[in-house]
Amino acid sequence: QVQLVQSGAEVKKPGASVKVSCKASGYTFTSYGISWVRQAPGQGLEWMGWINSYNGNTNYAQKLQGRVTMTTDTSTSTAYMELRSLRSDDTAVYYCARWTPGGYIYGFDYWGQGTLVTVSS
Amino acid sequence: QSVLTQPPSASGTPGQRVTISCSGSSSKIGSSTVNWYQQLPGTAPKLLIYSNNQRPSGVPDRFSGSKSGTSASLAISGLQSEDEADYYCAAWDDSLNGWVFGGGTKLTVL
Repeated sequence: QVQLVQSGAEVKKPGASVKVSCKASGYTFTSYGISWVRQAPGQGLEWMGWINSYNGNTNYAQKLQGRVTMTTDTSTSTAYMELRSLRSDDTAVYYCARWTPGGYIYGFDYWGQGTLVTVSS
Repeated sequence: QSVLTQPPSASGTPGQRVTISCSGSSSKIGSSTVNWYQQLPGTAPKLLIYSNNQRPSGVPDRFSGSKSGTSASLAISGLQSEDEADYYCAAWDDSLNGWVFGGGTKLTVL
């Protein structure tokens, strides 16, 4: 069965960086992409960007451009999301989600369990 | 402020039918398809409806979606207590080359 398992919770100081991992299993990793979505406490979902696991192409939400980098390691079927220059308003649960490149109509069909990132001095 | 507009809350009694709306611009919903996600308390979102009105395997047929022009709707019939959750609409935005979400609707089963 398809599973996305994310790394554990992180506590970071303002200005630091965080790297969250998302290990995929149960499907051919390079046939799908991974998108990252975050949710601040008590708030809605915010799309952060996507990566095509087949060719490494990426696209990031404009507000995060320059601070976020998404990568994949196809040898371990793992996706990574690194966010730099952390601020208090980056405190959120970060989710990875599977999507079909060229098939946005299918949405995010599988999600990771979420990783809480807390930014606090 | 979200790109897609949803009512912040909705409610119904067990057995009732409720609908949740999602509206956007012609460049968002109007030229794309809409997906719906259900987020139970303390859990990750789950895909409920894709491509406006398609249910993934395992989603009960009590859940249905529709789209007309720049608006979409999620309908839940035969409301059950376990349907109490947050519901989000989302659509692909060609100009962003990415997705936009609605602000979410908290459904309460009275």
